[in-house]
Amino acid sequence: GAVVSQHPSWVICKSGTSVKIECRSLDFQATTMFWYRQFPKQSLMLMATSNEGSKATYEQGVEKDKFLINHASLTLSTLTVTSAHPEDSSFYICSARSPAGNEKLFFGSGTQLSVL
Amino acid sequence: AQKVTQAQTEISVVEKEDVTLDCVYETRDTTYYLFWYKQPPSGELVFLIRRNSFDEQNEISGRYSWNFQKSTSSFNFTITASQVVDSAVYFCALSEAQVETSGSRLTFGEGTQLTVNP
Repeated sequence: GAVVSQHPSWVICKSGTSVKIECRSLDFQATTMFWYRQFPKQSLMLMATSNEGSKATYEQGVEKDKFLINHASLTLSTLTVTSAHPEDSSFYICSARSPAGNEKLFFGSGTQLSVL
Repeated sequence: AQKVTQAQTEISVVEKEDVTLDCVYETRDTTYYLFWYKQPPSGELVFLIRRNSFDEQNEISGRYSWNFQKSTSSFNFTITASQVVDSAVYFCALSEAQVETSGSRLTFGEGTQLTVNP
């Protein structure tokens, strides 16, 4: 079964509203989680690295104030798209790294965001 | 900078055919990891394999096999006797080996859409 749960699977919102996406590791504690964005028929682009108990590390070109990341516990990271606009419509996917010594990453099932 | 290139955007085969997905990478690191992931229509990424840059042995897992050629910076993936359920987007990815500092940051290729027709 899935070891990383991502919710919601899809969301439709009006322009200007904020949307929160949750990523939970179910079977292990994840000190580090990652958020990716995927446009249709394109590759996954890393947006930010979420570290439990500290500020997220954002990739170049990703707006920190627009994509708020909170990693308040060892099993939960959230991505909030603030004041969403149609250009934010995309597929967002999170991943969590299994405990040290194992380079394996587990991915959530993704969230399709559509901003009207 | 790291880069992963999957030159084949789409591949279509008939069931039972063998198919090879190409992956070429660029990195300045001497130690790194290479991965293949499968993304079915549901969107979830499924881990297929991880290969350390020092291990050039080819690997076989059931109908799947991987050919790692460090000399040509390639990590190709072959599906033998393809099945309809193999239809998905397949991503090749590269990460730095400094796990604790890089935190497993992956650089993905553009992906190859594989369609296996009955």
